Amino acid sequence: AQSVAQPEDQVNVAEGNPLTVKCTYSVSGNPYLFWYVQYPNRGLQFLLKYITGDNLVKGSYGFEAEFNKSQTSFHLKKPSALVSDSALYFCAVRDLGGANNLFFGTGTRLTVIP
Amino acid sequence: EPEVTQTPSHQVTQMGQEVILRCVPISNHLYFYWYRQILGQKVEFLVSFYNNEISEKSEIFDDQFSVERPDGSNFTLKIRSTKLEDSAMYFCASSVRVTYEQYFGPGTRLTVT
Repeated sequence: AQSVAQPEDQVNVAEGNPLTVKCTYSVSGNPYLFWYVQYPNRGLQFLLKYITGDNLVKGSYGFEAEFNKSQTSFHLKKPSALVSDSALYFCAVRDLGGANNLFFGTGTRLTVIP
Repeated sequence: EPEVTQTPSHQVTQMGQEVILRCVPISNHLYFYWYRQILGQKVEFLVSFYNNEISEKSEIFDDQFSVERPDGSNFTLKIRSTKLEDSAMYFCASSVRVTYEQYFGPGTRLTVT
């Protein structure tokens, strides 16, 4: 069975500092991994994905994520946080050989402090 | 940039009533999905739809729920007899192919009283 864990409900970071939002996953086969962001009263916006290839994937708005198979992690990172990055971030996984729906984590609220 | 749209943005209904939530997926997408998010909880998969039939569904998607693509653009979720616990934000999503990322609509907030 697939599952995703986002161990931090809340992450606070000062503007200009690097940020990390953590995600670990569990699938029976090979994973498809995704990050989505949700702004207030908006739907989920796709940020980036890992399917295969380079373990470091780059996405929208300067975000990147690193796939680590041995640690079953897919942490979201950004070198320099902006106040406008403040939002709710969701990690999601799909089993490559399984059903095509996404399993989401519980979300991490990122607050960037000016 | 094309996007998924959903109507209405907010629906209030009484317990036992039928509701239909509407979605217009991105036009060249072939796979369609419904998810829901109960307030404060994680996003949960309900159903996926491809080639005019359900391809996957979760345990949540019981006989009270149905989906339909009545024409070439709309994708609907019907709840036949709403319960209080159906109150949630319902998201529609679509993707070009099953292996591609899913694009989500802004959601419909359903409140059952």
